[in-house]
Amino acid sequence: DQQVKQNSPSLSVQEGRISILNCDYTNSMFDYFLWYKKYPAEGPTFLISISSIKDKNEDGRFTVFLNKSAKHLSLHIVPSQPGDSAVYFCAASGAGGTSYGKLTFGQGTILTVHP
Amino acid sequence: KAGVTQTPRYLIKTRGQQVTLSCSPISGHRSVSWYQQTPGQGLQFLFEYFSETQRNKGNFPGRFSGRQFSNSRSEMNVSTLELGDSALYLCASSLVASGGANTFFGPGTRLTVL
Repeated sequence: DQQVKQNSPSLSVQEGRISILNCDYTNSMFDYFLWYKKYPAEGPTFLISISSIKDKNEDGRFTVFLNKSAKHLSLHIVPSQPGDSAVYFCAASGAGGTSYGKLTFGQGTILTVHP
Repeated sequence: KAGVTQTPRYLIKTRGQQVTLSCSPISGHRSVSWYQQTPGQGLQFLFEYFSETQRNKGNFPGRFSGRQFSNSRSEMNVSTLELGDSALYLCASSLVASGGANTFFGPGTRLTVL
């Protein structure tokens, strides 16, 4: 049962354009959402997060949007740079004993930014 | 500040064997989580430890076990290895609880089961 889904395995974008990565979730108990970036041979690194009480959070070139009614979040990268090429994972966590300390990840999207 | 250290980085085992992976968290961090990453499955939560106590466990068979020591270092063990256990095993360290800007992942241990 995949509670967090990233339906696009890969995305290719030209340098300077916008990259939009999407993520859907099914568990309404999730109340905190995160995006991680992963380079080969390294562990994931935290990028940006959003609480369920917000619908938007910005950090420099990165913006995360949350649509709770659609159970959908997206990560916008503007402008995209070749160094952004990596695997992006969305993740979710929720309140309650069964979720404590646990992140539920999507399958990841490989972003390639062409110069 | 040293990052999260995982040893070994690469491991090759055969079916039926057992394996122990180690994770040293960032100094001062008391929470350690373990994840399994396989192609197409993303990262799947194995378990989380805080101050030597397992606080949460994912949906993995009993062959997967872990522990945390008083210095917060953690080990995970997989017994009776199966081909499907081939994966990248990641550990994450946090001050209190997994997730967010204050959670740091190690580089992982690549386990190959032949």
